[in-house]
Amino acid sequence: QVQLLQSGADVKKPGASVKLSCKASGYTFTSYYLNWVRQAPGQRPEWMGIINPTSGSTSYAQTFQGRVTMTRDTSTSTVDMQLSSLKSEDTAKYYCARSPNWNHPYYFDYWGQGTLVTVSS
Amino acid sequence: DTQMTQSPSTLSASVGDRVTITCRASQTISSWLAWYQQKPGKAPKLLIYQASNLESGVPSRFSGSGSGTEFTLTISSLQPDDFATYYCQQYIYYSTFGQGTKLEIK
Repeated sequence: QVQLLQSGADVKKPGASVKLSCKASGYTFTSYYLNWVRQAPGQRPEWMGIINPTSGSTSYAQTFQGRVTMTRDTSTSTVDMQLSSLKSEDTAKYYCARSPNWNHPYYFDYWGQGTLVTVSS
Repeated sequence: DTQMTQSPSTLSASVGDRVTITCRASQTISSWLAWYQQKPGKAPKLLIYQASNLESGVPSRFSGSGSGTEFTLTISSLQPDDFATYYCQQYIYYSTFGQGTKLEIK
């Protein structure tokens, strides 16, 4: 069965960086785009960006341009997301999510369990 | 950015009721709209994609309709497991979500 297993919760100070991992299993890793979506407490989900697992090419939401980097490792079927210059407003649950449609990849059929990132001094 | 607006923000209903949630896009998105259900502490669950296509394994009491800028999600007969928050999402211009509709027990 398809699973996206994310790394554990993290606490960071303002100005720091955080790197999250998402390990895919149960399907062919290179056949589906993967995305990162975050959700602050009580807020709507917010799309952050997408990575092509075959080529490694990425596209990021304008809100996060310059602060986010997504990478993948095909040998371990893992995608990582690093977010830098953290602010308190970055406190949220971060999800990786799979795109079921290669031609329209911005909706998501499988999600990880989420990783809570808390930014606090 | 394409803004997505849902109504109502909160909906109180009873088991067995038929309920409808509306989602409006700030510009035309054709049929590139999805609906998700989210329960507290859990990831969103895909219900509907391309406005009216039911995701595999989702009960048939859920249905979606619309195109252009106005869309609806209908639950034909509410079950206890359906009380949750629902989000619409456009996915033609990258991805943006509506603010959510919380479906509560009356």
